[in-house]
Amino acid sequence: DAGVTQSPTHLIKTRGQHVTLRCSPISGHKSVSWYQQVLGQGPQFIFQYYEKEERGRGNFPDRFSARQFPNYSSELNVNALLLGDSALYLCASSLRNTGYQPQHFGDGTRLSIL
Amino acid sequence: QKEVEQDPGPLSVPEGAIVSLNCTYSNSAFQYFMWYRQYSRKGPELLMYTYSSGNKEDGRFTAQVDKSSKYISLFIRDSQPSDSATYLCAMSSDSNYQLIWGAGTKLIIKP
Repeated sequence: DAGVTQSPTHLIKTRGQHVTLRCSPISGHKSVSWYQQVLGQGPQFIFQYYEKEERGRGNFPDRFSARQFPNYSSELNVNALLLGDSALYLCASSLRNTGYQPQHFGDGTRLSIL
Repeated sequence: QKEVEQDPGPLSVPEGAIVSLNCTYSNSAFQYFMWYRQYSRKGPELLMYTYSSGNKEDGRFTAQVDKSSKYISLFIRDSQPSDSATYLCAMSSDSNYQLIWGAGTKLIIKP
């Protein structure tokens, strides 16, 4: 079975640009979460989506936005990129968003800002 | 003070040794405790999940939760070079399923 897939795997952008990252969850999973992982740190929660609605938001500026599509895939958008946005962006999927649901991660998109 | 503290290491041990990895936390509302393994340039992989206090064993891995001390542990028996990775603890509460993570401990198993 296919796991969580993310694209692209690596991206280089310059300050001020915009970026869109994509995620396809495991088949049957309806919840998608996005995390930012800076080198040497644990992941930081950005968003959770379930049934195409935002269900949770972490402490990130409004430059970060996301959406979930009818097929449960998701996009993370970041505007006005800053050097500090350089990180590994991880997507995780789970069956539901109620009760504890194990989250399964993709291998991430490594974003480098020059 | 961070909600979840984890020694970043690196922790280097010889092959076959028993490894002990630990996290402490401050939020007494945490009920769900997880250990993830992350290889270089890969996403985190769920190893163990424990609800509330107690022990859980899966093959060479044992997870322990001591809620009274706000302390969780992961033990790896008969460690192998393939266990070399970063181990991250994560936790969440009943009211907020958002995962709160430790910084990760880099583990090196020497052949």
